[in-house]
Amino acid sequence: DTEVTQTPKHLVMGMTNKKSLKCEQHMGHRAMYWYKQKAKKPPELMFVYSYEKLSINESVPSRFSPECPNSSLLNLHLHALQPEDSALYLCASSLSAGGHTDTQYFGPGTRLTVL
Amino acid sequence: AQSVAQPEDQVNVAEGNPLTVKCTYSVSGNPYLFWYVQYPNRGLQFLLKYITGDNLVKGSYGFEAEFNKSQTSFHLKKPSALVSDSALYFCAVRDGNQAGTALIFGKGTTLSVSS
Repeated sequence: DTEVTQTPKHLVMGMTNKKSLKCEQHMGHRAMYWYKQKAKKPPELMFVYSYEKLSINESVPSRFSPECPNSSLLNLHLHALQPEDSALYLCASSLSAGGHTDTQYFGPGTRLTVL
Repeated sequence: AQSVAQPEDQVNVAEGNPLTVKCTYSVSGNPYLFWYVQYPNRGLQFLLKYITGDNLVKGSYGFEAEFNKSQTSFHLKKPSALVSDSALYFCAVRDGNQAGTALIFGKGTTLSVSS
């Protein structure tokens, strides 16, 4: 089973709202990722968690706050977003964070619209 | 610096014909190469990867890719295209000389298969 699940599928929020995106995998992977993707563009890496610790933050604005409560779960907390943050947010996981040959498996994404 | 190029924004083929989606890469160390497919409003699905060994890699849904070290290419191929293959395809690379696990994605190629 190579499934990564994400909830919700769609999210509409105002600029003053606080919301959270959730991601879950049960493949025993120890690395989890958040990506942002604009239409017809490649995914852009936001954060990497390795063994539940944040290992990479690609200079993401503080209005995005990641959290990894355990090895199977990854959250992305959203606050005071801007309309330009509207995008597809993808979660991915891989066996380890340092393995060059490890495949990243992606979830279906959350389509976020900021009004 | 590591990079991936997908020289074609769009590839059009007729159903039943062979298809090729091109990818070239630039890395300083050993390349680890991946192909992903993305259907509309969905996450990325892993198709295949090249790590080492046989230059012809077979993957999901009848796709295969040929690693060519001298031409630094990793083109995706399928002998007989299906309408259902119409999607956005991403090539990605990791550099064996770089620490960490970041995937470098190409810009993507839209494949359109006509009936």
